[in-house]
Amino acid sequence: ILNVEQSPQSLHVQEGDSTNFTCSFPSSNFYALHWYRWETAKSPEALFVMTLNGDEKKKGRISATLNTKEGYSYLYIKGSQPEDSATYLCASPTSGSARQLTFGSGTQLTVLP
Amino acid sequence: GAGVSQTPSNKVTEKGKYVELRCDPISGHTALYWYRQSLGQGPEFLIYFQGTGAADDSGLPNDRFFAVRPEGSVSTLKIQRTERGDSAVYLCASSLIRNTEAFFGQGTRLTVV
Repeated sequence: ILNVEQSPQSLHVQEGDSTNFTCSFPSSNFYALHWYRWETAKSPEALFVMTLNGDEKKKGRISATLNTKEGYSYLYIKGSQPEDSATYLCASPTSGSARQLTFGSGTQLTVLP
Repeated sequence: GAGVSQTPSNKVTEKGKYVELRCDPISGHTALYWYRQSLGQGPEFLIYFQGTGAADDSGLPNDRFFAVRPEGSVSTLKIQRTERGDSAVYLCASSLIRNTEAFFGQGTRLTVV
């Protein structure tokens, strides 16, 4: 069973602060790591798909890094805004041929104005 | 529509009743997935369709749960004799056959009272 863990479970930051949170996964048999943002009453939105050790991806003020050797990924948000408030989920395929994802329990971010 | 559509958005039902949840995937996406998110947890895989057939139904919790996709497009998740523990957000996602990025619907929030 693939175990994907996220920390912290929840986070409150002030508008303008930068923040980051962690996704941990087994370093053996790694295939890919997905990050999603899920705002209340909306669809989970794909942020990044990362596959290579050392990968860094960026989308606006959000960026992510990947370390497959030690089994973690960081998601960074620079200059947080209230609209960044959401649950951030990471997920990994259960095998190389699997289509389904195993998700972490998410980090719930609240950005206070 | 351009995205994955799920109906209803909310469903309240009494314990023991039968419910059907509908998913309309992105046109042309042959892969379709159902996930369930219970409070405080990440989405958990239920079933994956490739075309009309269920390629992997290993995530269905028991035989009260069943899903169909008769024409390879719209899918219906059926839950018989609902129990309070079935209360969750049921998410549907679709993807192209060769693309592992999944696009999610907004989910159906099922409450069993």
